[in-house]
Amino acid sequence: RKEVEQDPGPFNVPEGATVAFNCTYSNSASQSFFWYRQDCRKEPKLLMSVYSSGNEDGRFTAQLNRASQYISLLIRDSKLSDSATYLCVVSDNAGNNRKLIWGLGTSLAVNP
Amino acid sequence: DAGVIQSPRHEVTEMGQEVTLRCKPISGHDYLFWYRQTMMRGLELLIYFNNNVPIDDSGMPEDRFSAKMPNASFSTLKIQPSEPRDSAVYFCASSLNRGTYQPQHFGDGTRLSIL
Repeated sequence: RKEVEQDPGPFNVPEGATVAFNCTYSNSASQSFFWYRQDCRKEPKLLMSVYSSGNEDGRFTAQLNRASQYISLLIRDSKLSDSATYLCVVSDNAGNNRKLIWGLGTSLAVNP
Repeated sequence: DAGVIQSPRHEVTEMGQEVTLRCKPISGHDYLFWYRQTMMRGLELLIYFNNNVPIDDSGMPEDRFSAKMPNASFSTLKIQPSEPRDSAVYFCASSLNRGTYQPQHFGDGTRLSIL
């Protein structure tokens, strides 16, 4: 089993649609969780951290379920500019270890 | 403020040649990470440094790969001798040490092609 698993997609949605991405992770000791965004032929950039109580940033909502080791990202009112690959990222474990484990990403295409 | 700076942006070379990738982290960042990204394997951590000291190099594929960080503002990743299977995008990233996890900031990457 991969350490971080994501549906690769691609997800093709029309502008204005709501789309949800899911991610599961295998290390129950993971303490930090993130969603990164990567545009084609560009570097990954942090989209948002994921907190235990869930958090929202504008049109983006992230949820964490520690019991199920599951993370989600919801994008509302999707824009053409949301087209990218979304990477689910979890910390390797607690303490001073700074390793992050990266999913392969979910590809999103928002169409006019 | 300048972000993470990597050079070269693109490198095409023949197998057997030595390849040197360079990275300048964001000033003041304590951690520096080297990653490799391919379609099949995604983003893989090769090695990371804390205050110029290598902490975990378990991701380095084999002895052909080596990384150094002689000072807080410069790091290199070398491949010698290079092989076609080393073709990938190599990213350098840096982050702060402020207790809880800080986001990693990536450079533009080096696109490496070994012929």
